[in-house]
Amino acid sequence: GQQVMQIPQYQHVQEGEDFTTYCNSSTTLSNIQWYKQRPGGHPVFLIQLVKSGEVKKQKRLTFQFGEAKKNSSLHITATQTTDVGTYFCAGYNTGKLIFGQGTTLQVKP
Amino acid sequence: SAVISQKPSRDICQRGTSLTIQCQVDSQVTMMFWYRQQPGQSLTLIATANQGSEATYESGFVIDKFPISRPNLTFSTLTVSNMSPEDSSIYLCSVGGGGTSGDDEQFFGPGTRLTVL
Repeated sequence: GQQVMQIPQYQHVQEGEDFTTYCNSSTTLSNIQWYKQRPGGHPVFLIQLVKSGEVKKQKRLTFQFGEAKKNSSLHITATQTTDVGTYFCAGYNTGKLIFGQGTTLQVKP
Repeated sequence: SAVISQKPSRDICQRGTSLTIQCQVDSQVTMMFWYRQQPGQSLTLIATANQGSEATYESGFVIDKFPISRPNLTFSTLTVSNMSPEDSSIYLCSVGGGGTSGDDEQFFGPGTRLTVL
């Protein structure tokens, strides 16, 4: 079945360092979405990418959708302690959203 | 975005019993979804619940084990039946962003943390 792989599983960074998580799908996606889940919380929608090669920015966060619409990345510039949490990509195809395994980000102050 | 509440927020249940989880939305929505998330793991879709039709279950989930009701556009329930310790998990409901195609962003409830002894 369709799979969405996400790496790395964990990332520890020093505050101020950059962070990137990568997402790859086994099939072409209609769109890809990114969610953030704080410890003890529920997933919160961040953004949706639809077009091939699309790039979107939200302050220090940059989201990219690959040309083939099978991969995506989230890059955080100059991490802050408020960025702590698990970031999930979720690919939409054939009627449902498939979540990646998530990347848990720890930020050391 | 929709505001979603779930009841109960957590429960500890005995093996063999059933628990019904409620999901209430502050606005009418077409598509509602039920997910399971084991601690430290990703989200797995259990079923899609649309008002006025039978829920659509994903592979590995069956109606007898996880019956779902969707009586109106603001409410749904998920029952976890004949529970075993393997059912211990966080159960989340979510709603679609408003479209009917299902590819919109989703808004999640706070989740129900279930422990089965």
